[in-house]
Amino acid sequence: DVKVTQSSRYLVKRTGEKVFLECVQDMDHENMFWYRQDPGLGLRLIYFSYDVKMKEKGDIPEGYSVSREKKERFSLILESASTNQTSMYLCASGKETQYFGPGTRLLVL
Amino acid sequence: AQSVTQPDIHITVSEGASLELRCNYSYGATPYLFWYVQSPGQGLQLLLKYFSGDTLVQGIKGFEAEFKRSQSSFNLRKPSVHWSDAAEYFCAVGAVLNFGNEKLTFGTGTRLTIIP
Repeated sequence: DVKVTQSSRYLVKRTGEKVFLECVQDMDHENMFWYRQDPGLGLRLIYFSYDVKMKEKGDIPEGYSVSREKKERFSLILESASTNQTSMYLCASGKETQYFGPGTRLLVL
Repeated sequence: AQSVTQPDIHITVSEGASLELRCNYSYGATPYLFWYVQSPGQGLQLLLKYFSGDTLVQGIKGFEAEFKRSQSSFNLRKPSVHWSDAAEYFCAVGAVLNFGNEKLTFGTGTRLTIIP
């Protein structure tokens, strides 16, 4: 079975803090994705990566950056967290079919 | 650009009743279509997918979906729901980009409540 893990299920941070969300997959997938999920808005793509050190902006990249130093790991970075980044963050990996991690619920105070 | 519409925000059905969740998509070519389910506080689990071929696809947990090109729809069905089916359901359409890679666009979801 494909396994996608995320480093934290819940995080509480303060405004202005730098936040790292980590995602690891064990299926040697080249493609990895970061989404945020908000009620009534569904999932929106933040960034994705086709290979190590490659990244592409999704639909809502503002306020976020990413890092892909190893194939199995894809990190989402909030350089200076703001309250409007309080959300559920979901990582996925895969090509034709995307497989999702359990999500990280981030609260920014 | 592709888009997905799930017109029903919330549906309530009785346990044992049949279920149909609606999904309409917009995409210029033959789409890749997916249904995912999300239990409270969890990630998304793939229920089924359509890439090509038979327009009626079977998925896990007794779900099926039918691709209707003329209606731009991919509705999810189950003949008899169980209390454990209570969850949020997301339809998604995939657009093939460069190098065969794909970007998914999701609908806003339908929350399913099951009553005894």
